[in-house]
Amino acid sequence: EVVLTQSPGTLSLFQGERATLSCRASQTLSSNYVAWYQQRPGRAPRLLIYDSSTRATGIPDRFTGSGSGTDFTLTISRLEPEDFAVYYCQQYASSLLTFGGGTTVELK
Amino acid sequence: EVRLVESGGGLVEPGGSLRLSCVASGFTFDDYVMHWVRQAPGRGLEWVSSIIWNSGSKGYAASVKGRFTISRDNAKNSLSLQMESLRGEDTALYFCAKGPYSSTWTYFDYWGQGTLVTVSS
Repeated sequence: EVVLTQSPGTLSLFQGERATLSCRASQTLSSNYVAWYQQRPGRAPRLLIYDSSTRATGIPDRFTGSGSGTDFTLTISRLEPEDFAVYYCQQYASSLLTFGGGTTVELK
Repeated sequence: EVRLVESGGGLVEPGGSLRLSCVASGFTFDDYVMHWVRQAPGRGLEWVSSIIWNSGSKGYAASVKGRFTISRDNAKNSLSLQMESLRGEDTALYFCAKGPYSSTWTYFDYWGQGTLVTVSS
């Protein structure tokens, strides 16, 4: 099973600041098969990024995904009020799909 | 508009059974892989099971394999999860999710709002 480790666990930032979230895989992921999701309190997750760097439909360009191999990053260039949420990475290089433990982006 | 509506959750005793359902609309159901993903209270996301468009291939997480069975009825645009031998650790909000392809399970592009399963005596 591919284990995904997200860091930091919590990121405390001001509105307008840049957020950098990390996702590290326990083995090399072929074809950069990583997705990122946002989950606001009491809501279902929402797809942000797939194939490591492709934004999903309707996702603002302040969200950027990057990375390859075992190290992947989600960057939010300037935090808006609605961006304070939990973010999960997910790999689909293996047929046993797995998620990272999540990073909480909270308002400082 | 893609819509996924789950139902069937509730309180069940350890060792009991429950069947979850998900009705889909807003897309051609039999063109896509469908999934179940769960989230224990206050915890992260866990993939549970996936089924390709024609039910020809199914996948399960190790934690549920042999106890849960995924199925779909394309004529009724519905997805099901039959859960047997339930344990306390199965307590979670169960999400129905859609995949972007027909024959490969990858990421989840649309999600329902979830149905809560509580396993407790």
